[in-house]
Amino acid sequence: KAGVTQTPRYLIKTRGQQVTLSCSPISGHRSVSWYQQTPGQGLQFLFEYFSETQRNKGNFPGRFSGRQFSNSRSEMNVSTLELGDSALYLCASSPTAEPGTGEQFFGPGTRLTVL
Amino acid sequence: GENVEQHPSTLSVQEGDSAVIKCTYSDSASNYFPWYKQELGKRPQLIIDIRSNVGEKKDQRIAVTLNKTAKHFSLHITETQPEDSAVYFCAASKGGGFKTIFGAGTRLFVKA
Repeated sequence: KAGVTQTPRYLIKTRGQQVTLSCSPISGHRSVSWYQQTPGQGLQFLFEYFSETQRNKGNFPGRFSGRQFSNSRSEMNVSTLELGDSALYLCASSPTAEPGTGEQFFGPGTRLTVL
Repeated sequence: GENVEQHPSTLSVQEGDSAVIKCTYSDSASNYFPWYKQELGKRPQLIIDIRSNVGEKKDQRIAVTLNKTAKHFSLHITETQPEDSAVYFCAASKGGGFKTIFGAGTRLFVKA
């Protein structure tokens, strides 16, 4: 099976713009989670989707949003970009509905740079 | 709120020595504790995990221990090799879906 894929791999935006990132999970996986990775903060949980429903949300401002489609592909959107949004955005998919019953597989990430 | 603290932030060991990374979690409802290894420029990969009904789990040179009372869990790597050099993340989650809270990471250097 193909692994988790993310597009684009690299993005450069300017402050105030908005951006949409895409994640295609492993075939058959219905849970998709998003994380922000920065050198100083490590991996921070953004949100998780399962069967098109957002089940969990982290402590990020409302500028960060996401959705999941019926084929389990997921997108996340960041509006009104700030310099501090520069980070590697990782998505992860799992074949199961609950932690501990199935492994989370990470994608390669999208590196977003905000100038 | 939910928090996972991880220590040390950097660890340097000689090849063949053991390495220990410690984590503390705040949410007593956490019941699943995975450990991830992230090599430079690569994605995190699960190396071992433990559920709250188990005190210890071992997989070859890697072991994880869990103390639910103290809300501590640790990763032990024995007979370290240069290819063990990477950033290691501990994490905690509970039921209700994948809301995985990660520690800040430990950069492990194994000197040949």
